[in-house]
Amino acid sequence: QSVLTQPPSVSAAPGQKVTISCSGTTSNIGKNFLAWYQQLPGTAPKLLIFDSDKRPSGITDRFSGSKSGTSGTLDITGLHTGDEAVYFCATWDDNLSAVVFGTGTKLAVL
Amino acid sequence: IRLVQSGDEVKKPGTSVRLSCKASGYTFTTLGISWVRQAPGQGLEWMAWISANNGATSFAQRFQDRITMTTDTSTSTAYLELRGLTSDDTAVYFCARDSSNYDGGWRIFFDYWGQGSVVTVSS
Repeated sequence: QSVLTQPPSVSAAPGQKVTISCSGTTSNIGKNFLAWYQQLPGTAPKLLIFDSDKRPSGITDRFSGSKSGTSGTLDITGLHTGDEAVYFCATWDDNLSAVVFGTGTKLAVL
Repeated sequence: IRLVQSGDEVKKPGTSVRLSCKASGYTFTTLGISWVRQAPGQGLEWMAWISANNGATSFAQRFQDRITMTTDTSTSTAYLELRGLTSDDTAVYFCARDSSNYDGGWRIFFDYWGQGSVVTVSS
């Protein structure tokens, strides 16, 4: 059972922007940095954002992340069908002494 | 940078499975390896981490008694053994390069992933 809560699904039209939220607590997001992953169907997850707001080399600036208090967000602009995937947030939980993942959000580009 | 995992496995309940994860393209001993699994149609679940430098480990509590992790620095390979398999252990198991560190808070992130090994537990 995930301790980080995400909306099950979001959708938007091609070219538009979507925001995916990740809600946690003071023992996880409130104290630690957030990462975001994209998982295309049948593939391994791919790191999109680390340190809450940094992009690894090679990740387009259409993806951006932020964190405030016990929540984080992933923004995706200029949507195209290739962005259809499940997106997961993740961080460390001090109480559980474990990495925790969000419940996952399925993005549909309609 | 690549992480290449061992092949898919079919196991009987009560038995064990040993998975491997061979790293290349970076100095293996500078970072750790985490193992993450994904049950069919479900989300991601972190299982454990091992330092490829000194063998230190950290486990999710629910796996603590059933997991053994090792590394072979001569071949840049990490291993995960999971014992006492049940049908609930049926999942895709991923290894990931763990670039995490602490800087006023934990900076946990997995920047390269293996392709996954499917483990099916069935009688």
